[in-house]
Amino acid sequence: DTAVSQTPKYLVTQMGNDKSIKCEQNLGHDTMYWYKQDSKKFLKIMFSYNNKELIINETVPNRFSPKSPDKAHLNLHINSLELGDSAVYFCASSQDATNEKLFFGSGTQLSVL
Amino acid sequence: SQKIEQNSEALNIQEGKTATLTCNYTNYSPAYLQWYRQDPGRGPVFLLLIRENEKEKRKERLKVTFDTTLKQSLFHITASQPADSATYLCAPTTDYGQNFVFGPGTRLSVLP
Repeated sequence: DTAVSQTPKYLVTQMGNDKSIKCEQNLGHDTMYWYKQDSKKFLKIMFSYNNKELIINETVPNRFSPKSPDKAHLNLHINSLELGDSAVYFCASSQDATNEKLFFGSGTQLSVL
Repeated sequence: SQKIEQNSEALNIQEGKTATLTCNYTNYSPAYLQWYRQDPGRGPVFLLLIRENEKEKRKERLKVTFDTTLKQSLFHITASQPADSATYLCAPTTDYGQNFVFGPGTRLSVLP
């Protein structure tokens, strides 16, 4: 069983559309994250949730809205997609909010045309 | 502002040699430092974590050192194999996971 699974793997969409990426972890971890990896391969944190509560919210446009229905799921909804949103988005989880030993999903390649 | 540098964007070595990757940080004092491996098209995979009071940590062919005076961590892969080819990311982290930032990574290629 995949520890951290995210869907879809690929997402191709037009500018202005709204899309969602889903993430689930079966590790029993308390903390989940969304990271963005741009074309230059820099990996930057966007959000972190601990037990369904937002604890890290980096400087991200408010078009991005995370939602955590329970501690095993963290979804990312993006409104009014822009060309610059094209990147790979990774979901991750860790035992607690210390950021030690993160487990990553395989990524969602988002292409905005 | 805090800054993380990894020795080079790409490193090529011959199979069987020891690969040494460097992670330097400035303007903050991490309580621990993590190393991850990332293969193309995949998410990073955790390898090792070393705390500020530990000088060295080993796991199979991997060895990590942490020098808080030099503000540097070295990551060694001994007896390197082509399967070790990947991008390696360091992540110095302050207490309670604050200021958790990944370095830009070093792409290692082990040539047969």
